Amino acid sequence: DVKVTQSSRYLVKRTGEKVFLECVQDMDHENMFWYRQDPGLGLRLIYFSYDVKMKEKGDIPEGYSVSREKKERFSLILESASTNQTSMYLCASNIQGASTDTQYFGPGTRLTVL
Amino acid sequence: QKEVEQDPGPLSVPEGAIVSLNCTYSNSAFQYFMWYRQYSRKGPELLMYTYSSGNKEDGRFTAQVDKSSKYISLFIRDSQPSDSATYLCAFNTNAGKSTFGDGTTLTVKP
Repeated sequence: DVKVTQSSRYLVKRTGEKVFLECVQDMDHENMFWYRQDPGLGLRLIYFSYDVKMKEKGDIPEGYSVSREKKERFSLILESASTNQTSMYLCASNIQGASTDTQYFGPGTRLTVL
Repeated sequence: QKEVEQDPGPLSVPEGAIVSLNCTYSNSAFQYFMWYRQYSRKGPELLMYTYSSGNKEDGRFTAQVDKSSKYISLFIRDSQPSDSATYLCAFNTNAGKSTFGDGTTLTVKP
């Protein structure tokens, strides 16, 4: 079974702090994704990566950066956390070129910025 | 205009009811059509996928795609309390990224 793990289930941070969210997948997937999920707004893509050290902006990259130094690990960084970044953050991965392009999701990190 | 519109819900039905969940889309490049189920405090997990118009059945679940009308549906027969979750439609082009609906929250009451 594919496993995608996220470093924390719940995080509480203060405005202005630098925040790191870590995601690890164990199935050698090329693609990895970071989403945020908010009521009424659904899942919105922040960044994705299709290879080590490669990244592309998603729909809402402002205020975020990412790092992919190893194939299995994809980090989301909030350079200076703000209250409007309070959200559920979901990491996902999939195989590049797979016929279904199914994404496998982690359990999510619920981030609260005070 | 959003690429994907999903019936907002929430839906509350009695156990045993037939449930219909619906999404419309506008992007003709979407090739793969998926439904994810998300239980409370968990990440979404794939429930069904298809890439052609018509019906696909898996147990109590049927996914229906009408490409000409740009409309997809998920039907749940004999709904159970364990089906209570948020259901997300999702669409892929060949580029590997997914576009998700906002989700419909379903509650099945015993």
